[in-house]
Amino acid sequence: DAGVTQSPTHLIKTRGQQVTLRCSPKSGHDTVSWYQQALGQGPQFIFQYYEEEERQRGNFPDRFSGHQFPNYSSELNVNALLLGDSALYLCASSSGPVGGSEAFFGQGTRLTVV
Amino acid sequence: LAKTTQPISMDSYEGQEVNITCSHNNIATNDYITWYQQFPSQGPRFIIQGYKTKVTNEVASLFIPADRKSSTLSLPRVSLSDTAVYYCLVGELRRALTFGSGTRLQVQP
Repeated sequence: DAGVTQSPTHLIKTRGQQVTLRCSPKSGHDTVSWYQQALGQGPQFIFQYYEEEERQRGNFPDRFSGHQFPNYSSELNVNALLLGDSALYLCASSSGPVGGSEAFFGQGTRLTVV
Repeated sequence: LAKTTQPISMDSYEGQEVNITCSHNNIATNDYITWYQQFPSQGPRFIIQGYKTKVTNEVASLFIPADRKSSTLSLPRVSLSDTAVYYCLVGELRRALTFGSGTRLQVQP
């Protein structure tokens, strides 16, 4: 049974560019949350998708947007990249919009903005 | 959101019991306490969750006093592979996870 899978694992982008990260949730899960983790810090919540709608959002600018597809997979889009967007981007899945109990995390996508 | 305070780092030796205490003075009635473990370049992994008293699973125990203003994660007989960052989270079950800076546990041989 595949867990949460994210792609790509690493990528390098230039300031001002746009990037799309992808996440497939664990089998049986219908809710996907995205987190940004800067080096040496804990993950910070970006937003959560359930039933193809954004249900909760953290303190991130509109440059960060997302989408959930009918098969529950999700994309995170970041426009107008800044150097400060360099981080590990984590996707977590759960059954139902439950954030506080057992969420399963993927390995993350390491984004470097140069 | 209830703020959590936990030690920045801890050191231990293989075979010892490790107790990591987390302070959450402003915990709300609907808040649960959850602990995650994270290895470098990996996503966090759920360890244990509780509301009050004591919870035990195959990996760890979680002790929560009656006032719920703190909690202690207990890892029995740690090994080198337990070297990781441990996060204490407090929040409602249907809300987003709020991570702090965590406790960096270093286990020595």
